[in-house]
Amino acid sequence: GENVEQHPSTLSVQEGDSAVIKCTYSDSASNYFPWYKQELGKRPQLIIDIRSNVGEKKDQRIAVTLNKTAKHFSLHITETQPEDSAVYFCAATINTGNQFYFGTGTSLTVIP
Amino acid sequence: DTGVSQNPRHKITKRGQNVTFRCDPISEHNRLYWYRQTLGQGPEFLTYFQNEAQLEKSRLLSDRFSAERPKGSFSTLEIQRTEQGDSAMYLCASSLVPTGELFFGEGSRLTVL
Repeated sequence: GENVEQHPSTLSVQEGDSAVIKCTYSDSASNYFPWYKQELGKRPQLIIDIRSNVGEKKDQRIAVTLNKTAKHFSLHITETQPEDSAVYFCAATINTGNQFYFGTGTSLTVIP
Repeated sequence: DTGVSQNPRHKITKRGQNVTFRCDPISEHNRLYWYRQTLGQGPEFLTYFQNEAQLEKSRLLSDRFSAERPKGSFSTLEIQRTEQGDSAMYLCASSLVPTGELFFGEGSRLTVL
């Protein structure tokens, strides 16, 4: 089955700086890569996703890049704000609707 | 609230007892997933359904775990003869194929004493 690794496990940045979280996956057949944000005590929520037919996707301060050859993808948050503090999970799946395999999460702290 | 709902939100039980969790997905969603999440870890896939059909159950942690979705609507996850290692948050999610976005419930936290 798929194995998703995520780094770093914790990340602290100053407000306004950028944050980058990286994930690698093992199954070259994986073609859908979502990122979820989980605030303390709340449910995970999708923040951005990317499919294997594109290399980059942006949504305001958030971007995701995908390198299919190297089998890794990254989340980039620019101009970080305190409300970005949360745990972020990457995931991989073969076709949407099948089982998703999640990384172990990155706890991001944005220091005001 | 038309989101995914789970109950109970928290269950405390003694080792050896059986527990059952219920998940009500978003009504038009045909896929339903169960995940387990322990502290500091990402959601761990357990099983999923397409309508009432269970498409994957090999990831269920042991034969003490079982899940059903009898009419393709709500689902139950049962853990028999609970062990302390079963203590975790059990998350349910639903999605509408083919868009794929998972919508999670608030989770059911199990504490086994």
